[in-house]
Amino acid sequence: EAGVAQSPRYKIIEKRQSVAFWCNPISGHATLYWYQQILGQGPKLLIQFQNNGVVDDSQLPKDRFSAERLKGVDSTLKIQPAKLEDSAVYLCASSLLSGRVTGELFFGEGSRLTVL
Amino acid sequence: AQSVTQLGSHVSVSEGALVLLRCNYSSSVPPYLFWYVQYPNQGLQLLLKYTTGATLVKGINGFEAEFKKSETSFHLTKPSAHMSDAAEYFCAVTFAGYSSASKIIFGSGTRLSIRP
Repeated sequence: EAGVAQSPRYKIIEKRQSVAFWCNPISGHATLYWYQQILGQGPKLLIQFQNNGVVDDSQLPKDRFSAERLKGVDSTLKIQPAKLEDSAVYLCASSLLSGRVTGELFFGEGSRLTVL
Repeated sequence: AQSVTQLGSHVSVSEGALVLLRCNYSSSVPPYLFWYVQYPNQGLQLLLKYTTGATLVKGINGFEAEFKKSETSFHLTKPSAHMSDAAEYFCAVTFAGYSSASKIIFGSGTRLSIRP
């Protein structure tokens, strides 16, 4: 079974530039999550999708971050314009069950963003 | 509000020694508790989880954890450390029985180092 795919693995940009990250979850997983992991910290949830609908985006900085999951499968997270404090690893995760949360997430390898 | 605290950002043990990583949570409703492991440049992988039933749960790679409601703890242990256990470990919590809007909250992580 293929795991969660993310790209690119690494990205370096100047501040005020834009960047996009892509995630393809495990086939059949209804729930998709984007987490931000700053060095030395635990993952922080940015946005959670159930199929193609947003369940929770309360911690997404909506003035600069956007995410979509148009067909309920893969997803894109965009940052525009980037700030220095956006330097982090962006983790995508998916889970099988819709509705009840089991906490059993399957993570991709992450996309490491460096903003100079 | 729910939260999770990991005591000790870095733990170092000798190969063959006991591993003990501490996690405490706060919750007004029964929690689901998890330990995830993250190897360098990889995403997180589920080690073990507690939902209901037996309070001592066993996971992969010889790790186990015990849910102690009276102490609001879910400490991770392994009787004998191996060099391959060196990684970052995250405790996480969510709440039983809930809608897909339930958040999964991660602790700040504990980096485990193994001395030869």
